[in-house]
This record gives sequence, structure tokens and C-alpha cells, in this order.
Amino acid sequence: AQSVTQLDSQVPVFEEAPVELRCNYSSSVSVYLFWYVQYPNQGLQLLLKYLSGSTLVKGINGFEAEFNKSQTSFHLRKPSVHISDTAEYFCAVSDTGGSYIPTFGRGTSLIVHP
Amino acid sequence: DADVTQTPRNRITKTGKRIMLECSQTKGHDRMYWYRQDPGLGLRLIYYSFDVKDINKGEISDGYSVSRQAQAKFSLSLESAIPNQTALYFCATSDLGLAGGREQFFGPGTRLTVL
Repeated sequence: AQSVTQLDSQVPVFEEAPVELRCNYSSSVSVYLFWYVQYPNQGLQLLLKYLSGSTLVKGINGFEAEFNKSQTSFHLRKPSVHISDTAEYFCAVSDTGGSYIPTFGRGTSLIVHP
Repeated sequence: DADVTQTPRNRITKTGKRIMLECSQTKGHDRMYWYRQDPGLGLRLIYYSFDVKDINKGEISDGYSVSRQAQAKFSLSLESAIPNQTALYFCATSDLGLAGGREQFFGPGTRLTVL
């Protein structure tokens, strides 16, 4: 079984500032890792994913994340945020050889202030 | 057109009523899921289906049932709704074929309020 901890429930930041949303996971097997974004009144959509290969993953809207196996982390970063990045962000982990069903973190609310 | 659709988008009902939430997809995926989202709790898996004849309980299936009518349709029922089932419900699909990317594709959600 896997578990995911998103270390911050809310992250306020000013527009054009950098941001990091933290995600740690626990698993006894190899994992796939995902970040999803949920804009107000919408479903979740994929931001980026790590399946294998390069540990630095680039996603949509200028976001990137780095898989750190030794620290079991997959933190999400953006060098300069916009008002439109205000949303809920979910980290998720799944196994690589079983059911592939993801376990989601509790979410981090990113609030971008002008 | 949306690949994963949910109906209704909003529903208010009373305690004890039977409610059905429907999900349809045009992505051709075999796997479908139902989640509920509560503030501060993230997404929790209610049921999932790997194909029409394979339905499995998730972590919070009590009080819910599902039906997979076809590859494209997966319905969630609350046999006798109670107030703590008030939540946002999401349907999702995924493809695990050779070209599958392992991620899930979500519908827009159904906001259910049980009075």
C-alpha cells in the first residue's frame, strides 16, 4: 500500500513569486507519481507525471517536479506564478506493477495574490 | 465535447432517498472509478471497475453501490442517502494499454447535498 502526504494545506504567494508545493510518499514498491490541478468548479486534470527516466519532469503551465527517491519526495515548483494558478493541487502515487490505482494526497490550496 | 461526463452536475435530496449518479466516457478506456471529495480529505475511492464484469470496492464503499452497464457507462447509487454523504463526487477513467499513460481522466463532478 502507498500513502501520500502533502505537507501544506494552503500556500499563499504573491503574483510573479516562485512557489513550491511539497509532496512526500511512502511505498514498499516502485511507484508512479502524479500532480493534478483542480480549478474552481472543475474536475482534476493532469499537470505532470513521473513514470521512469529523468527525475526532473516538466508539465503544463510552466510547472515542474523532481522525483527524489532517497527522500521519497515529488515536490512541485513554478518559478513565477500567475493569478490564474490559484487552484487546488493534488499529489498522487500508484504502484508500477499491480493495480495501478492511485492514492491521493489531501491537496494543497495555492492562493496567488496580486 | 467532454471525454468524461457526469449527470447531474448538482443534486439536492433528502435523507432516505435513493440517488443515482451517472458517468459516461468516450475515451474508450476499460477502467472507471468513483471518488468522493471532501474539504481537507482529498479524494477517496468508493468503487472501481477494470471492465464490465470486474467491479471492486474501494476504501469507502459502505452505503454505496455501482453498476457498469457498458464499457462507457458507470453509475453510482446511494440506496438511502444520509447527510454525511454530502460531498463532491467524481468519475474517472484510465487506460492501461501499451500506450496508456497511467494517469486518470476526470469528469466535471457532481455536487450532492443530502438534507
